[in-house]
Amino acid sequence: QKEVEQDPGPLSVPEGAIVSLNCTYSNSAFQYFMWYRQYSRKGPELLMYTYSSGNKEDGRFTAQVDKSSKYISLFIRDSQPSDSATYLCAMSAISVGSQGNLIFGKGTKLSVKP
Amino acid sequence: DGGITQSPKYLFRKEGQNVTLSCEQNLNHDAMYWYRQDPGQGLRLIYYSQIVNDFQKGDIAEGYSVSREKKESFPLTVTSAQKNPTAFYLCASSIPRGFGNTIYFGEGSWLTVV
Repeated sequence: QKEVEQDPGPLSVPEGAIVSLNCTYSNSAFQYFMWYRQYSRKGPELLMYTYSSGNKEDGRFTAQVDKSSKYISLFIRDSQPSDSATYLCAMSAISVGSQGNLIFGKGTKLSVKP
Repeated sequence: DGGITQSPKYLFRKEGQNVTLSCEQNLNHDAMYWYRQDPGQGLRLIYYSQIVNDFQKGDIAEGYSVSREKKESFPLTVTSAQKNPTAFYLCASSIPRGFGNTIYFGEGSWLTVV
């Protein structure tokens, strides 16, 4: 079983839809969770960062962590064509600065149609 | 503006030649990283460095070398020993240990070996 599983998609939705992106993981020690957005041929940019369990909201984006189910989600409300990108989940057991290894999902490609 | 600068953006090299990718950051981050991204494979860690003059191998270090002579710079050399060097290479940095867990990426360098 891979440490982090993420459906690669592609996922296609109409503009204005609510998008749900998910990752599952196997390592119960993970406690730092991140979502990155990556546009084509660009570097990933950090969208959301969550420590341990719970929800975090930032504008149209909500990140959820369910450690009991080893499941994290990113919700995008009122999706826009500009949200079309690949979304990567990432997680680690300890602070990145201490050892340096984030585990990434393979990314889900999202397309929002006008 | 603060950020991570990678150069060149696109690079073509003949098989058997070494090539060095540049990475410079002005974020005053202690830790720096090199990742490789291949289609369908996600991000894989090549090398990371927590402080100047120190670096550690990541998951796929074979065929690569790095140096960290200055806090701002972390160049990656792709040697002729790397069997499949054509890929998208991403440099990243993170804030100091104990201050959180966010990692920031540069815009990437596309290396094509012919």
